[in-house]
Amino acid sequence: EDQVTQSPEALRLQEGESSSLNCSYTVSGLRGLFWYRQDPGKGPEFLFTLYSAGEEKEKERLKATLTKKESFLHITAPKPEDSATYLCAFSSGSARQLTFGSGTQLTVLP
Amino acid sequence: KAGVTQTPRYLIKTRGQQVTLSCSPISGHRSVSWYQQTPGQGLQFLFEYFSETQRNKGNFPGRFSGRQFSNSRSEMNVSTLELGDSALYLCASSISGRARTDTQYFGPGTRLTVL
Repeated sequence: EDQVTQSPEALRLQEGESSSLNCSYTVSGLRGLFWYRQDPGKGPEFLFTLYSAGEEKEKERLKATLTKKESFLHITAPKPEDSATYLCAFSSGSARQLTFGSGTQLTVLP
Repeated sequence: KAGVTQTPRYLIKTRGQQVTLSCSPISGHRSVSWYQQTPGQGLQFLFEYFSETQRNKGNFPGRFSGRQFSNSRSEMNVSTLELGDSALYLCASSISGRARTDTQYFGPGTRLTVL
């Protein structure tokens, strides 16, 4: 069965303390691996899509990478405004819907 | 370009009632998907519409239904509300939902509380 697991569930960092969030997946026929950011009471905000192992994408302090079994979201020198829940999701085969992980709640302390 | 809009933003209903939620996709987007988000189950796919036709459906009871209009706007309906239907209902739109590079963009959601 296709599934995705995110770790850790929660992460507290000091401002400037770099770290990585993990998204482990078991998917047959991966179409895309997606990262979203969600602030409390709001809808998920699209960050990245990765399609094949070895692919990397960057945006400001965030960098997403993909292997055959995992994706990482690296956060370099985070700021308090990076505090949010980060969600990863995949689409597979002919299915168009996204299957989401449970998310990592990131708190960056000033 | 305006993002995905959802109305209403908040709803309070009682058990047994029915509710209709509305979603307007990004201009030019023809695929609309609906998701339910709860603290216990996370984000779960409800259904997807394209060209006024349901293309895909998640594992939810028949009380959950939807439709799409010719202008791509979509509505979802929940009949005979149960306490467990309390959730954030999210709508996402994409250009076609077919291309590998298609991205789903989410609206702000409708917070439904069932008393």
